[in-house]
This record gives sequence, C-alpha cells and structure tokens, in this order.
Amino acid sequence: DVKVTQSSRYLVKRTGEKVFLECVQDMDHENMFWYRQDPGLGLRLIYFSYDVKMKEKGDIPEGYSVSREKKERFSLILESASTNQTSMYLCASSGTTDNEQFFGPGTRLTVL
Amino acid sequence: QQQVKQSPQSLIVQKGGISIINCAYENTAFDYFPWYQQFPGKGPALLIAIRPDVSEKKEGRFTISFNKSAKQFSLHIMDSQPGDSATYFCAARGGNKLTFGTGTQLKVEL
Repeated sequence: DVKVTQSSRYLVKRTGEKVFLECVQDMDHENMFWYRQDPGLGLRLIYFSYDVKMKEKGDIPEGYSVSREKKERFSLILESASTNQTSMYLCASSGTTDNEQFFGPGTRLTVL
Repeated sequence: QQQVKQSPQSLIVQKGGISIINCAYENTAFDYFPWYQQFPGKGPALLIAIRPDVSEKKEGRFTISFNKSAKQFSLHIMDSQPGDSATYFCAARGGNKLTFGTGTQLKVEL
C-alpha cells in the first residue's frame, strides 16, 4: 500500500514563527505536491516537485517555500507564519507513469 | 482564477437515491479528469477517473459522464448509501498538475 505520511496532524504556532511541515512517501514517486484545503475553496496547489532539488510554483506560492533534498521527502516552509495561513495542509505524491495522486492525512495548522 | 467550477456545494440525498455532482472546466488542454473522495480526518483518495476521448465510465455504483463539447463532466452515485457521505472533489489535469474544484459535501440520509 502506498503511504504518504505527514509529520504532524495538528500544529499551533504564533504569528512570525518559522514553520516546517514534513511529508514522506514510501513509493519511490517522482512527483510530490503541497496543497492547502480551505472550506469553499477546495484544494489549492502551493508548490510541487518533479525531482530531487527541483520545485515549481503552484497557484498560491506566496508566503511559502519548499525543500526536496531526498526523493522521498518534501518539506513545506512558512518563513514567517501569519494568521491567514491557518489551514489544512495536504501533501501528495504520484509517479511519472500513473495519474493518481496519493494524499497524506493532512496537517491542521493554526496560527495565533 | 477558478478553472474548474463544481456544484453544488452541499447535497443531501435519501438512501437509495441518485447523487449528482457537476463540474465545468475552461482549459481545453486538460487531458484527465479524476474524482476524489474525502472522509473526515483523511486525505482525499481517487474514486474514479476519465479521459476526454470517452463519454462515460462506470465503476460499480459510480459513473462519470463527460461532455467534451460543453466542457462539463459529472459524477453520478447510484443507490446512494450512508457510507457514501463524504466530500467529493472533481479535478482536471494539465501537464503534471491537478486543478481541483471547490468540493461537494454529500450527506446520505437513512
């Protein structure tokens, strides 16, 4: 079974803190994705990566950065957390030949 | 910009009824149209998907209808069950990215 794990299910941070969200997949997938999910807005793509050390901006990259030093791990970084970044963050991965994205359980981040 | 529009936002259906969720897209370069199902506390999971060269795909009680000329596709859940209560997202693929709709919260009542 494909497994995508995220480092935390719930996280509470203060405004201005640096926040790291970690995602690990065990299927040797080339592609990895970070989304945020907000009520009424669906899933919006923040960043994605199609190879180690490669990254591309998604639809809403402002205020975020990412790091992919190893194939199985993709990190989302909030350099200076703000209250409008309170959201559910979902990581996903997919291979190059199949279309299906496999999602982790999500991290619910609250920024106070 | 919202490239994939999904409706309705929420839906209540009686057990045994048909649930219908609609999506419309703008980008004619989209080449793959999946539907994802999400239960509370879980990440979305692929339910069923279709390519634009096919007008319909059926898997068990779930059917996708695809209208390429109208740039619309829909999910039909036949004989809806309480266990189908979840949030459903349509999506469209361009390149190696998926663009998701805003989601439909389905509740199937006894």
